[in-house]
Amino acid sequence: NAGVMQNPRHLVRRRGQEARLRCSPMKGHSHVYWYRQLPEEGLKFMVYLQKENIIDESGMPKERFSAEFPKEGPSILRIQQVVRGDSAAYFCASSPAGTAAIGELFFGEGSRLTVL
Amino acid sequence: AQSVTQLDSQVPVFEEAPVELRCNYSSSVSVYLFWYVQYPNQGLQLLLKYLSGSTLVKGINGFEAEFNKSQTSFHLRKPSVHISDTAEYFCAVIGAGGTSYGKLTFGQGTILTVHP
Repeated sequence: NAGVMQNPRHLVRRRGQEARLRCSPMKGHSHVYWYRQLPEEGLKFMVYLQKENIIDESGMPKERFSAEFPKEGPSILRIQQVVRGDSAAYFCASSPAGTAAIGELFFGEGSRLTVL
Repeated sequence: AQSVTQLDSQVPVFEEAPVELRCNYSSSVSVYLFWYVQYPNQGLQLLLKYLSGSTLVKGINGFEAEFNKSQTSFHLRKPSVHISDTAEYFCAVIGAGGTSYGKLTFGQGTILTVHP
């Protein structure tokens, strides 16, 4: 009974490189959320996706960041030309559809990005 | 927009003692309220939630929280803590009436350390 799976768990990149973070939601969940946790801070919402659709990307930086959730395969958060300020833990969460699940997110263990 | 303030960044307590973790929120609309727990190197898990009805809500692991609308608070309590409760606790809100059901606003977190 797999939960939300994220990989890689740890990723090291040099400034200017690209980072790709993957997330497979829980079985039966069609909603995926990405959050970022900077050191000493709480989680900040980035983007909300359903299959093949970006529903809400109000928390995404305007440049260098993109997300997708294709019909087949995991959701991917892509960061181009990484900078040191991108170093953070990136959490993916999934939820089932419906109002009964308001706020009930199932989180993965996170991908910790370090930019050298 | 909503904001959440967790008044204590760290709370040390002895085993079997009671504990209260404080959370205040600000919002121009009605809100739903949540407490999540994060154990080291893991994703967040939902402890409990308040959507409507009784202002005292019970969650997993013996935790409970009380919604106080006049004081805009949602403090988390446990009458007797265990070593295994050592973790970081996050209070979160979501505005009622929205459609992004997983777009939570989190507080900065409170690290609860239970000493033997």
